[in-house]
Amino acid sequence: GAGVSQSPSNKVTEKGKDVELRCDPISGHTALYWYRQRLGQGLEFLIYFQGNSAPDKSGLPSDRFSAERTGESVSTLTIQRTQQEDSAVYLCASSLVVNQPQHFGDGTRLSIL
Amino acid sequence: QQQVKQSPQSLIVQKGGISIINCAYENTAFDYFPWYQQFPGKGPALLIAIRPDVSEKKEGRFTISFNKSAKQFSLHIMDSQPGDSATYFCAARGVNYGGSQGNLIFGKGTKLSVKP
Repeated sequence: GAGVSQSPSNKVTEKGKDVELRCDPISGHTALYWYRQRLGQGLEFLIYFQGNSAPDKSGLPSDRFSAERTGESVSTLTIQRTQQEDSAVYLCASSLVVNQPQHFGDGTRLSIL
Repeated sequence: QQQVKQSPQSLIVQKGGISIINCAYENTAFDYFPWYQQFPGKGPALLIAIRPDVSEKKEGRFTISFNKSAKQFSLHIMDSQPGDSATYFCAARGVNYGGSQGNLIFGKGTKLSVKP
């Protein structure tokens, strides 16, 4: 596709369950980023991947959060034992390389009951 | 924690007027300052960006003004239109000895409403 694709677009789950969010970056983009956007707030950096380098995990809020990326394509963000404070929109972005403009998907709206 | 402070939180402007959104940062180690526009239910879209060696950048009706000594930058939207009604975010990208960092640090956003 032409842009960053995220799935699902909406996810409702019960507290304590694990969730997996998917991101398909723009083809050819070597850098991929995950951000979290709480209601009415700015974007909060979580993690980014650049090619085959070790990911920068400095923004992950707890060890319940993890992310993987297969080569330079799909990435999944996993949240284990979800809590109500995890409710937010999770946004993925990609860029050609790390110092190029970031292009965002439309996000996954996660609601924890 | 590096921070980017954005104001105002919300802004109402009449059609044809000028919308001005301001941001200030607290750390000198930034090398790139983009502005994003976000419509409800959509991801942020890059609007315009500036690097600190330039004091102003204009693209159509959108202008970034950058004041390095004051650590401030602002977005001006000339001839504002109802279609410009959206939330606007400023951001900054850090640098370290290895070069540009990957992540952007975002302001909290400004909700702009342009009245017809």
